[in-house]
Amino acid sequence: DVKVTQSSRYLVKRTGEKVFLECVQDMDHENMFWYRQDPGLGLRLIYFSYDVKMKEKGDIPEGYSVSREKKERFSLILESASTNQTSMYLCASKTGGVNYGYTFGSGTRLTVV
Amino acid sequence: RKEVEQDPGPFNVPEGATVAFNCTYSNSASQSFFWYRQDCRKEPKLLMSVYSSGNEDGRFTAQLNRASQYISLLIRDSKLSDSATYLCVVNPPTGGGNKLTFGTGTQLKVEL
Repeated sequence: DVKVTQSSRYLVKRTGEKVFLECVQDMDHENMFWYRQDPGLGLRLIYFSYDVKMKEKGDIPEGYSVSREKKERFSLILESASTNQTSMYLCASKTGGVNYGYTFGSGTRLTVV
Repeated sequence: RKEVEQDPGPFNVPEGATVAFNCTYSNSASQSFFWYRQDCRKEPKLLMSVYSSGNEDGRFTAQLNRASQYISLLIRDSKLSDSATYLCVVNPPTGGGNKLTFGTGTQLKVEL
């Protein structure tokens, strides 16, 4: 089975800190995604990448950046954490082709205080 | 109009009941469809793909109606362990066929 690993299950950070969320997948998938999930709002796409060094903005990229230096790793960066970025962050990967779904990591619950 | 719309529920049903969830999508050119299951405070996991001819996996049956842009999930003989949120997922033509769009989910609670 594809495994998508997120580096931290729970994180608490202070307002203004730079925060790095790491995601690694082990099945050579081209496509990787970062979502945040909030009650009542569902999953919202922050950024995605369809190849090394390539990135595309999702629906809510403001306040975030990403890095994909290697195919297996996709990092989400909160440049200056704010309390409204408190959320569950989910990384996903997907192989190419329309008939395939995502595999998600177990999520990082980030609290910004 | 949202790209993918679901009734949020919750659906509270007794064990053994049959329950059906519906979902509509806005982009008629969408290419593939899925149901995901998400347990409380866990990540979503793929439950099943949805094919035009309809497909079944044990107690779960998924149907697609492209003309009405409508997807359904039927769960027969509900178990306590089926309690979760069910996410309807669509693959629209934007994003090169690799960017999925998620509904906000329908919550199911199966009770004794």
